[in-house]
Parts: sequence; C-alpha cells; structure tokens
Amino acid sequence: AQRVTQPEKLLSVFKGAPVELKCNYSYSGSPELFWYVQYSRQRLQLLLRHISRESIKGFTADLNKGETSFHLKKPFAQEEDSAMYYCAHYNQGGKLIFGQGTELSVKP
Amino acid sequence: ETGVTQSPTHLIKTRGQQVTLRCSSQSGHNTVSWYQQALGQGPQFIFQYYREEENGRGNFPPRFSGLQFPNYSSELNVNALELDDSALYLCASSPGLAGRGEQFFGPGTRLTVL
Repeated sequence: AQRVTQPEKLLSVFKGAPVELKCNYSYSGSPELFWYVQYSRQRLQLLLRHISRESIKGFTADLNKGETSFHLKKPFAQEEDSAMYYCAHYNQGGKLIFGQGTELSVKP
Repeated sequence: ETGVTQSPTHLIKTRGQQVTLRCSSQSGHNTVSWYQQALGQGPQFIFQYYREEENGRGNFPPRFSGLQFPNYSSELNVNALELDDSALYLCASSPGLAGRGEQFFGPGTRLTVL
C-alpha cells in the first residue's frame, strides 16, 4: 500500500536552530509530494510542493528518489513556525495520502 | 474569492444515529474531497466528487456516503454512527479533476459520537 511516514510526532527546537522534519514515502512511480501546515486555530494549508522547487517562509524540501524521502528543512527556526506539519502525496489513483504529522515546537 | 466553508462547526450525536455534514467549495472549483482526521492522526481520504460523480473512494464502509450538487457544494452522510467515527471531518476543493495540484481545505466539522 502506498503510504507516507513521518517518524517524529513531536520535534522541539530552540529559536534560531536548524530544523528538519522527516518524510518518507512508498510509491513506485514519480510522486507528486507536498508539505501542508496547520497553524494553531487555522485550517490546513499548502506550504510547498516539490515540483515548484520554491522556498516558502524559509522552508525547502528536496525529493530524494533513492531514499524515497522528502524532508522539510529550515536553517533558522522561528517561533511562528510552531505548527503541525503534514507530508502528503498523490497515490496512483490520484488521491491525496497524508502522513501522521509532526508537531514542531520552536522555543524562545 | 470565497474559501471553502463547512457546517456545522461542531456536532454531538449518539451511536446509531445518522449525520450530514456540508461543504461549500471555493469559487471556481468543481472537485471536492472529504477526509476524516482522528485525534493525533493525519487526514484520511474518504472519497472525492468531480462534477457530481464519485471519483474514487478510500477504505471506508458504505455507511459513509456523499453527494455533490450542481453548484459543486457537497454533503457527507454517515449512517449508523459508531464511537470510532468521532473525528474532525475535512472538506477540500480543487479546480479541475483532482489528482494533481493543491487542495484547499475548509475549517472542518468536529463530530463527537457518544
């Protein structure tokens, strides 16, 4: 079964520290991968997608097909980055599959 | 541009009852997907509607059913509610036939089954 794995339920870092949220996927083809974010009391929203190769709010994510990973990185975490982060990809049926999510807590 | 809206915000039901949740898609979007998000879990795909037809279903029993209307708004119906149906139900819309690109999420409906 196609799945997305986020091994860390909670990641706690200090402001200014680098952060890496891990995501691994199982997909035999060319996946379309996303990171969605949910800030406190806000709805789930797209942070970035691998095809756009953008940096959003200082976050980047590189697709590594060899390791089937799509880790989210930011060199210097900010307190406003504290949120739930979900990695997701479309399965072969075109349906969006989410990981369990990682809660990022950035301490002052 | 109006975003995705969902109603009601919260709902409490008892086991065996039936519930209907509603979603209005973002302007210009003709595809609606529904997700169930249990506490501490990521959203799980229930089903998707494209131009009023079901376009794919996740691993949910038939007592989960849906509709999409000509204005592309949608309903999720759950019959014979079970305690495990307690969750946040999310609706997401997208332009064109989904399967690619961004989905735009509503705020969700929190269902509690007692």
